[in-house]
Amino acid sequence: DQQVKQNSPSLSVQEGRISILNCDYTNSMFDYFLWYKKYPAEGPTFLISISSIKDKNEDGRFTVFLNKSAKHLSLHIVPSQPGDSAVYFCAASEENRDDKIIFGKGTRLHILP
Amino acid sequence: SQTIHQWPATLVQPVGSPLSLECTVEGTSNPNLYWYRQAAGRGLQLLFYSVGIGQISSEVPQNLSASRPQDRQFILSSKKLLLSDSGFYLCAWRGYNEQFFGPGTRLTVL
Repeated sequence: DQQVKQNSPSLSVQEGRISILNCDYTNSMFDYFLWYKKYPAEGPTFLISISSIKDKNEDGRFTVFLNKSAKHLSLHIVPSQPGDSAVYFCAASEENRDDKIIFGKGTRLHILP
Repeated sequence: SQTIHQWPATLVQPVGSPLSLECTVEGTSNPNLYWYRQAAGRGLQLLFYSVGIGQISSEVPQNLSASRPQDRQFILSSKKLLLSDSGFYLCAWRGYNEQFFGPGTRLTVL
């Protein structure tokens, strides 16, 4: 049973436009959510996170929105740049737990020139 | 600052051969450590995690095993590799709420 779902395997966006990556989760105990970015043949790097006490967190061009009632979060990238082309993983955990963070399958973002 | 190392970076092994991938972390003590595999179409699959020396939790039944002989060392092993073991293996440690990943090992089983 997949607890974190990224239903779009890939997404293509024109450079300069907004990229919106979506993520859904099923476990209502999750209270901390993260986005990671991964280039080929490299480890994922942490991008941005949000706690369940918030519905929005912004860091430069990246904004994460959380809709707890819908168990849905999204990552907005504005404006999209060529270097944003990568695989983006959504992840979720129970805050301050010692064990695991659950990852989605990822969405490959292509930024078109 | 914390650093996480993995080796080797790439590995090509025949089916049925043994495997040993090593991960070490610097700059932190008693970290929670994780092994993930990224295979085509499967995203990041958690294989094992460890909250301390000698403590291993397995997430997925398979022919892989993990060990933590020292505080900052995490080893992924197999006695006999299968074709399906091919993938990109990532080690990670957990900070306060985020996980930080190593550079990964690309394993190809032929």
